[in-house]
Amino acid sequence: QKEVEQDPGPLSVPEGAIVSLNCTYSNSAFQYFMWYRQYSRKGPELLMYTYSSGNKEDGRFTAQVDKSSKYISLFIRDSQPSDSATYLCAMSAYSGGSNYKLTFGKGTLLTVNP
Amino acid sequence: DTGVSQDPRHKITKRGQNVTFRCDPISEHNRLYWYRQTLGQGPEFLTYFQNEAQLEKSRLLSDRFSAERPKGSFSTLEIQRTEQGDSAMYLCASSGGGGAYEQYFGPGTRLTVT
Repeated sequence: QKEVEQDPGPLSVPEGAIVSLNCTYSNSAFQYFMWYRQYSRKGPELLMYTYSSGNKEDGRFTAQVDKSSKYISLFIRDSQPSDSATYLCAMSAYSGGSNYKLTFGKGTLLTVNP
Repeated sequence: DTGVSQDPRHKITKRGQNVTFRCDPISEHNRLYWYRQTLGQGPEFLTYFQNEAQLEKSRLLSDRFSAERPKGSFSTLEIQRTEQGDSAMYLCASSGGGGAYEQYFGPGTRLTVT
């Protein structure tokens, strides 16, 4: 079993839909949770980051962390064609020496259709 | 703040040749990470620097791989005697200051070994 599991999709939705992306993890030491967006053949772009459990909202994006269930989610409201990309969840546990190396899921490919 | 830059963006090499990639982190960031991403997978951690010190190397980093960060500024990743299995996107990320666990990625170097 991989430390971080993410459904690779693909996920196809109409413009304006609410999108829900999810990851589960097995390492209870993870404390920092991030969502990255990656366009084809580009580097990952940091979208949201949270520490421990709870919700965080930024514009159309909401990130949720449930440490008791080892489950994190990203919601995208009023989805736009420009949101079409691969969404990667990532998480880290402090491992000494100020090292917060990330463990990533496989990524979910999202297409928002006009 | 010009972001993380990587050079070259693309590299095609023949099996057995040596290649070197460069990463320039965000100027005030003292932490630098290298990751490798293959098609359909999330990035995987390779190595971590705090300033000029290399503090962690993944078991993925075989003896043919070496990384340096002289003077704690830019970093280089060298692969000796390349193999077809080395074909991947090599990503550099940096973090620092108050956002210790927020990593910002460069555009990546896509390596193709023929």
